Amino acid sequence: EPEVTQTPSHQVTQMGQEVILRCVPISNHLYFYWYRQILGQKVEFLVSFYNNEISEKSEIFDDQFSVERPDGSNFTLKIRSTKLEDSAMYFCASSEPGTSGKTDTQYFGPGTRLTVL
Amino acid sequence: DAKTTQPTSMDCAEGRAANLPCNHSTISGNEYVYWYRQIHSQGPQYIIHGLKNNETNEMASLIITEDRKSSTLILPHATLRDTAVYYCIVGFNFNKFYFGSGTKLNVKP
Repeated sequence: EPEVTQTPSHQVTQMGQEVILRCVPISNHLYFYWYRQILGQKVEFLVSFYNNEISEKSEIFDDQFSVERPDGSNFTLKIRSTKLEDSAMYFCASSEPGTSGKTDTQYFGPGTRLTVL
Repeated sequence: DAKTTQPTSMDCAEGRAANLPCNHSTISGNEYVYWYRQIHSQGPQYIIHGLKNNETNEMASLIITEDRKSSTLILPHATLRDTAVYYCIVGFNFNKFYFGSGTKLNVKP
């Protein structure tokens, strides 16, 4: 069964460093998302992406964050200058367009644990 | 903020049916009800979704009330591996999902 994959599974970085989290969405999906979950807290929406542009972003997704689909298979989240509070699990999700008035379903990857020291 | 209300936790005996309720009284006409679960800190796992009719798949059944203001997820024969946080989410195409706190289901031997 197709699934969303994410690399790395765990990333440790120093405060102020740039990190890139990578995702490979399900191959025929066209909509892509990033969510994050700080330890012990709720899963929070960061950004959605379609047709090579951001569809929607949350207040969390400030200028330090960017997303890109560099090729036909990868979807990346970049944090330019990491802060301690960026430590969290980051989940990528993808969905395909719903057909005949039916809704799409978002499928989530296993996540990348980001630890900022 | 999440548009749904769920109990914080529930217990279920292994082998018995687990019935997880969700209130979504402000649901819009075109919004679907989705259920996901999260085991430890793994990625949310899709379970089932529905609009107004009851739905069943290999994992669970979804019962939606006629007025669509609430729903129940049913795991027919809960196992220890079903211990997880279960999220009820309302949404439509390509919408961001609002995750609430979910229901922590404890399946006990």
